[in-house]
Amino acid sequence: ETGVTQSPTHLIKTRGQQVTLRCSSQSGHNTVSWYQQALGQGPQFIFQYYREEENGRGNFPPRFSGLQFPNYSSELNVNALELDDSALYLCASSLGGLRRNYGYTFGSGTRLTVV
Amino acid sequence: DQQVKQNSPSLSVQEGRISILNCDYTNSMFDYFLWYKKYPAEGPTFLISISSIKDKNEDGRFTVFLNKSAKHLSLHIVPSQPGDSAVYFCAASATNDYKLSFGAGTTVTVRA
Repeated sequence: ETGVTQSPTHLIKTRGQQVTLRCSSQSGHNTVSWYQQALGQGPQFIFQYYREEENGRGNFPPRFSGLQFPNYSSELNVNALELDDSALYLCASSLGGLRRNYGYTFGSGTRLTVV
Repeated sequence: DQQVKQNSPSLSVQEGRISILNCDYTNSMFDYFLWYKKYPAEGPTFLISISSIKDKNEDGRFTVFLNKSAKHLSLHIVPSQPGDSAVYFCAASATNDYKLSFGAGTTVTVRA
């Protein structure tokens, strides 16, 4: 059973640029969620994808967008990067869909630094 | 609006002693609670959970207690071991909710 894998592990971007982060979900999981963890804080929900559609979104602006593919892998795209976007981005997969979330399997995250 | 709060950013405990981590929540719709453990350069891993129909759940050295009236839960680790040194996150979810709300975490250091 493969876990959740994220790429890249680290990334440095310049303010105003765009970035794409990638995630492969755990085998058998059909739902992918993305979280942002800023330094000293807990993970904050960005959005969730189920059946290739966004079905829930946290308090993040539209420049944060995503995709889910038929194999359940996912991408997180952030446009017009700001310094405050510097954070650890965590991908989590689950078998929840639209039902209650009983917990995730997390990837190791992508550390994004915006300079 | 932080609905899950872990007010102690750090905890230092001697090996073999008990570690007690606390978590408070404000959303009365939360009815399922989880603890995650995170090592540096790794993602959070699930540790233990509890449903609101219970007030205690035990798994080996780890026990979670839930006080619904106080909107408070705690994680007890007995005995603490050096490998327990990590960041611990409290998380909560509500019925039909697809997301988890996390606290800011407590860094536990177990001293030899």
